[in-house]
Amino acid sequence: DTAVSQTPKYLVTQMGNDKSIKCEQNLGHDTMYWYKQDSKKFLKIMFSYNNKELIINETVPNRFSPKSPDKAHLNLHINSLELGDSAVYFCASSQAKQEQYFGPGTRLTVT
Amino acid sequence: QKEVEQNSGPLSVPEGAIASLNCTYSDRGSQSFFWYRQYSGKSPELIMFIYSNGDKEDGRFTAQLNKASQYVSLLIRDSQPSDSATYLCAAADYKLSFGAGTTVTVRA
Repeated sequence: DTAVSQTPKYLVTQMGNDKSIKCEQNLGHDTMYWYKQDSKKFLKIMFSYNNKELIINETVPNRFSPKSPDKAHLNLHINSLELGDSAVYFCASSQAKQEQYFGPGTRLTVT
Repeated sequence: QKEVEQNSGPLSVPEGAIASLNCTYSDRGSQSFFWYRQYSGKSPELIMFIYSNGDKEDGRFTAQLNKASQYVSLLIRDSQPSDSATYLCAAADYKLSFGAGTTVTVRA
């Protein structure tokens, strides 16, 4: 039974399009995160939600908008996609500030 | 200055040897420290976490923390080919900051 799941696993789209990535966790955690891992494999936090409330919002273009309908779900919507948005996006969850568990990732390719 | 720095790789060790990975962090407010393993094309997988100064052992893995020196390390004893991966060090205050990773190759 998957702990942190993401859909889709792969996403190929053209510049200017709008796309969404969904994440769900069944660990009962209260905190969820979005990370971006670029081509150099550097993993950087984008957003974090605790009990549906945004608590971390790093320097990310406002084309990226997270949404947490409940504490088990965190979605990421991206408007007007650009070539530089191509990366692997990971969702993660934790209980408060304890260890984080990652989903399988969504590989986004913008052409 | 990067918040978390790891020794540059790649690190190549023979099977059965000890692999030693080092990490330093700049934020003295960091409270907890983590080591993740990431196989190519896969997601990061937690292998160790440490909160207190000293050593913490879990099977073939030992994490060491020295808060005064702002230094974290990971030792992998009896290295196996299946340990070949990128190892990510992370430090947490209000967020988790990752190092760039050290790629380890274990030669059979």
